[in-house]
Amino acid sequence: GAVVSQHPSRVICKSGTSVKIECRSLDFQATTMFWYRQFPKKSLMLMATSNEGSKATYEQGVEKDKFLINHASLTLSTLTVTSAHPEDSSFYICSARDEGTAAYNEQFFGPGTRLTVL
Amino acid sequence: LAKTTQPISMDSYEGQEVNITCSHNNIATNDYITWYQQFPSQGPRFIIQGYKTKVTNEVASLFIPADRKSSTLSLPRVSLSDTAVYYCLVGDPFSGGYNKLIFGAGTRLAVHP
Repeated sequence: GAVVSQHPSRVICKSGTSVKIECRSLDFQATTMFWYRQFPKKSLMLMATSNEGSKATYEQGVEKDKFLINHASLTLSTLTVTSAHPEDSSFYICSARDEGTAAYNEQFFGPGTRLTVL
Repeated sequence: LAKTTQPISMDSYEGQEVNITCSHNNIATNDYITWYQQFPSQGPRFIIQGYKTKVTNEVASLFIPADRKSSTLSLPRVSLSDTAVYYCLVGDPFSGGYNKLIFGAGTRLAVHP
């Protein structure tokens, strides 16, 4: 199946700093990618839909100025957590759909990025 | 998007068949039923998808009754490595053009030796 990578896999930062997380589709192009957040023992929460060449679409309650999304190419989307605080500590996961081969609701997920804000 | 209801957790033993049922009473005509598996500290993985009747692949089977208000994921002869959270999702893949996936609480399956 298609492969999605994320970098870094784990990051620890001080409160007030910004952190960038990269999501790459390695063997397919993705006009749309998705960003999720997951707290321990909880389900995935969709944060935003990243669209190549246009602005991201954020879910209700997600601060667009805090979670900056850039989808500059068909294989790369980035999520920047600005002025991170301890409550932003979470597991961030991206996904993408290979429209050439995927089943209708099949998305390929990255391995996730564990963010810890001290 | 149709809301789904699944058991919060299930326990099984190695070699047994596990059936996880998902309720989706408000499923729409164009909705498909999709199941994902997630191991700790990993992204979810697509398992199987169906619209009606029965679908089988190398990993699992999906049973969907005629009224489509529920579905059952069947895992044959589970092993310890099947311990994971299983999510049932329902949605119209052709609506909105973006294929948003909204995850419910999922079912935490624990397989014991």
